[in-house]
Amino acid sequence: SYVLTQPPSVSVAPGKTARITCGGNNIGSKSVHWYQQKPGQAPVLVIYYDSDRPSGIPERFSGSNSGNTATLTISRVEAGDEADYYCQVWDSSSDHPGVVFGGGTKLTVL
Amino acid sequence: QVQLQQWGAGLLKPSETLSLTCAVYGGSFSGYYWSWIRQPPGKGLEWIGEINHSGSTNYNPSLKSRVTISVDTSKNQFSLKLSSVTAADTAVYYCARRITMVRGVITTHWFDPWGQGTLVTVSS
Repeated sequence: SYVLTQPPSVSVAPGKTARITCGGNNIGSKSVHWYQQKPGQAPVLVIYYDSDRPSGIPERFSGSNSGNTATLTISRVEAGDEADYYCQVWDSSSDHPGVVFGGGTKLTVL
Repeated sequence: QVQLQQWGAGLLKPSETLSLTCAVYGGSFSGYYWSWIRQPPGKGLEWIGEINHSGSTNYNPSLKSRVTISVDTSKNQFSLKLSSVTAADTAVYYCARRITMVRGVITTHWFDPWGQGTLVTVSS
């Protein structure tokens, strides 16, 4: 089955840029979606189709996807961005097509 | 603005059946698949399965033998049943709308919005 690999944690100072990666075999051939989950809350979609932002998501959130790595970039990080972030793809390549989530990355704002 | 509200029993004993329901407010019910996703405490997300308004279902192969998802279109609701639960089924369970997009040769799916989540604990 398809596997998505995320770093367990990323730390960044306020005002700086955070980059959270999501690795997968030839992930550039798939569409990647990103969710933000704050403690005790449900996940919220922040990026879909690699780099599109839903309405209401700040322009500070952006995404890219190429080769074996997709990246969620958060510019001008704020304290309120501290959360867990999950990448997700739809894997149609296996015997059992389905949803695949990465293991999640905890973003800490220093 | 679509909103999902979910409810169900939060404490079960081993071997019992988990039962949750999710109601959809404020948008089209018939144009989407509706999913269940769970998250064990301190862990990541696992897709359980989904259903559309016609009752067509897809399940995670690892849970398929124990999962039943059903739909009540008269109420814009869908439900999850997970049988023979064990401590390993302890998790927060979420309902969510699955969105599909086709661009060129790529078809992809994502989830938005999500329900508020229900913590289900399995303990003797």
